[in-house]
Amino acid sequence: EAGVAQSPRYKIIEKRQSVAFWCNPISGHATLYWYQQILGQGPKLLIQFQNNGVVDDSQLPKDRFSAERLKGVDSTLKIQPAKLEDSAVYLCASSLRGLAGGKLSYEQYFGPGTRLTVT
Amino acid sequence: AQTVTQSQPEMSVQEAETVTLSCTYDTSENNYYLFWYKQPPSRQMILVIRQEAYKQQNATENRFSVNFQKAAKSFSLKISDSQLGDTAMYFCAFMKPEAGGFKTIFGAGTRLFVKA
Repeated sequence: EAGVAQSPRYKIIEKRQSVAFWCNPISGHATLYWYQQILGQGPKLLIQFQNNGVVDDSQLPKDRFSAERLKGVDSTLKIQPAKLEDSAVYLCASSLRGLAGGKLSYEQYFGPGTRLTVT
Repeated sequence: AQTVTQSQPEMSVQEAETVTLSCTYDTSENNYYLFWYKQPPSRQMILVIRQEAYKQQNATENRFSVNFQKAAKSFSLKISDSQLGDTAMYFCAFMKPEAGGFKTIFGAGTRLFVKA
């Protein structure tokens, strides 16, 4: 089974520029999460999708961040314009949120992340 | 609001010995899930172990086990027979159903070094 794919793996931009990240979840996973992980901290949830609908974007800075999940599969996260404090690793995760092998499965499977540096 | 606290920023253990990582959380919910995730250096986060709050029995996965104390809101991870490959950041996570989805909160992490 292929894991969660993310691209690019690394990105360096100047402040006020725009950037977009892409995520392809595990096939069949209805729930998709985007997290921001600042160095030395735990991941912070930015947005959660259930299929192609948003169920939680309460911590997404909507003045500069946007995300979409067309057709309930792939997702993109965009930052426009970027600030210095946006430097972080952006993690995508997906979960089945259903039965797997006869057991309820809620755990999240993470991608490798995109390391963003804003200069 | 829920919070997750990992009070040990760094720990070290000798290879083959046992180490326990602490996690406490604060919630008024009764239905929730707890997880430990491992994030090796420059590698992606993987699930170590999970615990459903309604289960009294502590979860175990090979060398990994938890001590779940629901009343005390404590969820510690014990790693037995530590191996060099266990060197990583370990995150405790709390998850509860909310608004059609799940709200997940991670602790700040504990960096574990396994010494040869």
